[in-house]
Amino acid sequence: DTEVTQTPKHLVMGMTNKKSLKCEQHMGHRAMYWYKQKAKKPPELMFVYSYEKLSINESVPSRFSPECPNSSLLNLHLHALQPEDSALYLCASSQGGVAYGYTFGSGTRLTVV
Amino acid sequence: GIQVEQSPPDLILQEGANSTLRCNFSDSVNNLQWFHQNPWGQLINLFYIPSGTKQNGRLSATTVATERYSLLYISSSQTTDSGVYFCAVHTNAGKSTFGDGTTLTVKP
Repeated sequence: DTEVTQTPKHLVMGMTNKKSLKCEQHMGHRAMYWYKQKAKKPPELMFVYSYEKLSINESVPSRFSPECPNSSLLNLHLHALQPEDSALYLCASSQGGVAYGYTFGSGTRLTVV
Repeated sequence: GIQVEQSPPDLILQEGANSTLRCNFSDSVNNLQWFHQNPWGQLINLFYIPSGTKQNGRLSATTVATERYSLLYISSSQTTDSGVYFCAVHTNAGKSTFGDGTTLTVKP
């Protein structure tokens, strides 16, 4: 299995809702990442988990809350989002850090209304 | 932080033509990847190439780490090659930086 699976593919949520994005990989990768991508822009790093511990938080607002329950699973909990948070959220994994290539999931397209 | 510049920003080709995309970076990197983002948003890894030359079918890539640039060659382009091509560099700090991308349109 050489895939990173993200669910759901599309999500529409209100500003008072709580929702979660899920990312799963079974490649034995020990680093997992969340990226945010706005239209016609490159992906921007949000969080890095290395060996199930949060190692990088790129000053992301607390309305985004990451969680890594085990080495195969990465969640992003969303609460009280703003319309400007609408974007494509991409998950990636790598074997063990920056010396290895990244594999990306197909993303969750989030719309906040 | 490290700067990554891709050129050209936009490229329009007739099917069958060849092209070269460039990625310049401002500092030493541990790794460099080329990705193709299709119209549905999927980022597909093309090459993991910190240095040297690699080929995969009609695509090849060369990274000259000492001169801080990488090139992606697309030969005999097809309409399915359309999309955005990103270069991403990874550093010791555990972070990655993407260039702004090259948007390629291949016309039939």
